[in-house]
Amino acid sequence: DVKVTQSSRYLVKRTGEKVFLECVQDMDHENMFWYRQDPGLGLRLIYFSYDVKMKEKGDIPEGYSVSREKKERFSLILESASTNQTSMYLCASSRAGVHSYEQYFGPGTRLTVT
Amino acid sequence: DAKTTQPPSMDCAEGRAANLPCNHSTISGNEYVYWYRQIHSQGPQYIIHGLKNNETNEMASLIITEDRKSSTLILPHATLRDTAVYYCIVRVNYGGATNKLIFGTGTLLAVQP
Repeated sequence: DVKVTQSSRYLVKRTGEKVFLECVQDMDHENMFWYRQDPGLGLRLIYFSYDVKMKEKGDIPEGYSVSREKKERFSLILESASTNQTSMYLCASSRAGVHSYEQYFGPGTRLTVT
Repeated sequence: DAKTTQPPSMDCAEGRAANLPCNHSTISGNEYVYWYRQIHSQGPQYIIHGLKNNETNEMASLIITEDRKSSTLILPHATLRDTAVYYCIVRVNYGGATNKLIFGTGTLLAVQP
C-alpha cells in the first residue's frame, strides 16, 4: 500500500512565524504535490515537484516555498504565516507520466494561524 | 477541461449497490474521467479512471456511456465506511508532471444502516 505521511495532523502557529510542513512517501514516486483545501474553494495546488530539487509553482504559490532534497520528502514552508493561510494542507504523491493523476494523499494538516 | 455535474447528495442502503452519476457533456476525445472520494477529515483517495471503456478494480466499477457524455461510478456493496464525498474529474492527461487535480463540489454519499 502507498503510504503518504504528514508531520502533524493539527498545528497552531502565530502570525509571522515560519512554519514547516513535512511530507514523506514510501513508494518511490517521482511526483509530489502540496494542496490546500478550503470550504467553498475546493482543492488548490500550491506547488509540485517532479524530481529531487525540482519544483514548479501551482495556482497559489504566493507566501509559500517548498524544498525537495530527497525523493521521498517534500516540505512546504510558510515564510511568515498569516491568518489567511489557516487551512487544511494536503500532500500527495504519484508516479510520473500517464499515472500522474493517480495521486495518493496524506491525512492532511489542519493549520490554524492566530 | 470539461465541466462536470454531479448531484450534491445521495443516500444508499448498506449492502446495496451505490450508483453515482456524473455528467460531462462537453468532454473531448482526449479527456479521461477520474473518480476520487474524501472521507470526512481524511485526504482524498483515488478510486478509478477511464477513457472510453468500462473499468473495474477492487474498489469500484466505472461505466462510461458510448458518447462519453456521462459516467457512473458503482460501488457494488456499499458499507458505512463508503460514506464520503465523491468527486468526478475530467482531465486531459498530458503524461507530464503538470497534471494537477481540480475538485468540484462532488456528491456526498450517505450509506444508511
